[in-house]
Amino acid sequence: ETGVTQSPTHLIKTRGQQVTLRCSSQSGHNTVSWYQQALGQGPQFIFQYYREEENGRGNFPPRFSGLQFPNYSSELNVNALELDDSALYLCASSLYGGADTQYFGPGTRLTVL
Amino acid sequence: QKEVEQDPGPLSVPEGAIVSLNCTYSNSAFQYFMWYRQYSRKGPELLMYTYSSGNKEDGRFTAQVDKSSKYISLFIRDSQPSDSATYLCAMSADNFNKFYFGSGTKLNVKP
Repeated sequence: ETGVTQSPTHLIKTRGQQVTLRCSSQSGHNTVSWYQQALGQGPQFIFQYYREEENGRGNFPPRFSGLQFPNYSSELNVNALELDDSALYLCASSLYGGADTQYFGPGTRLTVL
Repeated sequence: QKEVEQDPGPLSVPEGAIVSLNCTYSNSAFQYFMWYRQYSRKGPELLMYTYSSGNKEDGRFTAQVDKSSKYISLFIRDSQPSDSATYLCAMSADNFNKFYFGSGTKLNVKP
């Protein structure tokens, strides 16, 4: 098991609502990345935070936003939920973003009805 | 066209078989190549990490990268039922922030 934890494990929302997902990084890691994994697909990069600043973003609209806190924990916020937002949301912590140090959490399963 | 293509399978093999998993890609700027294993209801776990072309071996796992053909492979020797999982390839141009994943190949190793 990695030291990356995510909460909640799963949740159900309705279209138009807002949701906040949380991630606690592995000890010593200063970078967190968020990914969306639709059923049967690979993870898609949403954005990355390094030292509380956004440090790269994938092809996701502005209603996907994030925060990183001084203790390197992180939040992913999604506004105006759409049905297509139903997916597994993964966070991954790393040292400076390198894949060789990147550990994934177990994910939060979001269902939008 | 997707940046990374991966056969979704499922791939079913008997225990002890050699498994070959593959990905192709279109972006010649990719230099960092990874293979992840993902069990059901878990996050991906890094198996192999390679830079540029060539081979890398770690126990029963061998990763190959052929940049001229834009093709990467993962070989699993002496496959075990515990290897049953989804295998994801991923790649990046600069090893930081933006990694591109394949859609994953589901592997089932039968006892």
